[in-house]
Amino acid sequence: DARVTQTPRDKVTEMGQEVTMRCQPILGHNTVFWYRQTMMQGLELLAYFRNRAPLDDSGMPKDRFSAEMPDATLATLKIQPSEPRDSAVYFCASGSSKTQYFGPGTRLLVL
Amino acid sequence: SQQGEEDPQALSIQEGENATMNCSYKTSINNLQWYRQNSGRGLVHLILIRSNEREKHSGRLRVTLDTSKKSSSLLITASRAADTASYFCATDHNNAGNMLTFGGGTRLMVKP
Repeated sequence: DARVTQTPRDKVTEMGQEVTMRCQPILGHNTVFWYRQTMMQGLELLAYFRNRAPLDDSGMPKDRFSAEMPDATLATLKIQPSEPRDSAVYFCASGSSKTQYFGPGTRLLVL
Repeated sequence: SQQGEEDPQALSIQEGENATMNCSYKTSINNLQWYRQNSGRGLVHLILIRSNEREKHSGRLRVTLDTSKKSSSLLITASRAADTASYFCATDHNNAGNMLTFGGGTRLMVKP
């Protein structure tokens, strides 16, 4: 049963610390998405990759966020330095415009 | 405002009743999709309707699409307590590559 996995599931950190979230897309999916979900803003697209190349990261605050795909089995989203307003659930999804398969999310709390 | 705005934002019904959620969007689409999110979980794809389709069924789900009004509806018939979740529409626009634009969601509560 193929699924997207994300680690960690929960992360509590202090303001100013670096946070790295990891995602393993479904094998064979060439498009990977990073979303952020909050009560106030809903689901926001931060960045997405096709064949490991970044296609759009306009939704991401560039000064502190970075997203990479070092290989086809791993996508990372890094926040440095983290701020309390970054507290949210971060989802990775893989697939296509026909269907996206979401991971369980990383719940981030920045104190 | 966002593409794919859902209406209502929240809906509470009794088990056995039908639930109808609506979605509106602004620019032309290739397809429109509905997703479901249980509390604390990721979104799960439910159904896709292409721009040249008007209605689609999947089990207790019925989706309609009116491209002239740029709107879609999701009907869940004979609802169950297990249908309690948030439901999102997502639009695939012609010039957006593989991107989907998600709406704000409808929170559905089905009371037993």
